Amino acid sequence: EAQVTQNPRYLITVTGKKLTVTCSQNMNHEYMSWYRQDPGLGLRQIYYSMNVEVTDKGDVPEGYKVSRKEKRNFPLILESPSPNQTSLYFCASSPRGGNYGYTFGSGTRLTVV
Amino acid sequence: AQSVTQLGSHVSVSEGALVLLRCNYSSSVPPYLFWYVQYPNQGLQLLLKYTSAATLVKGINGFEAEFKKSETSFHLTKPSAHMSDAAEYFCAVSGNFNFGNEKLTFGTGTRLTIIP
Repeated sequence: EAQVTQNPRYLITVTGKKLTVTCSQNMNHEYMSWYRQDPGLGLRQIYYSMNVEVTDKGDVPEGYKVSRKEKRNFPLILESPSPNQTSLYFCASSPRGGNYGYTFGSGTRLTVV
Repeated sequence: AQSVTQLGSHVSVSEGALVLLRCNYSSSVPPYLFWYVQYPNQGLQLLLKYTSAATLVKGINGFEAEFKKSETSFHLTKPSAHMSDAAEYFCAVSGNFNFGNEKLTFGTGTRLTIIP
């Protein structure tokens, strides 16, 4: 089944403790992206990647890092999480960018206390 | 820059009634437009998309949307609401002016409630 897999689904952590949210797709998509969803704000792009070793900032990149060492994986790293990063995070992939539409993962609900 | 405005953060309709969710866009280039649906505790699922072919686009679950350039609108409709349609709906726009990052810009969402 073609899908985007995120882990974990739920995570509660403390301020400053580094964490990684994994994302993997099995569709051989070139383009991958991370979004955060907050009430009343919709989805905002954090980072994106056009291909292996090519990443760039989205609209709200502060406090996040990403890497794209393999085509299928695009982990999101929070090196020092803060409470304002409490949110619902989605990984998405596309054959070649947003014009094709995205396939989304099921989401990761992160709480930073 | 591109943007999307969804009118009405909450919409309630009776079962069997017409569903109309409003979306207006702004884009400096011919847009690609999308509607996504999000069921509770799930990711976003593509309902339909407009990519400059037919202006009336049919999607899954009986939904359709009409692209109206003169009104810069892409409203989502369904003739007869079903209880299973209760979800949050997002309109999104993409433009091909920035090769390599045709990112989707999302609206703030409309939560649809179906009244039995």
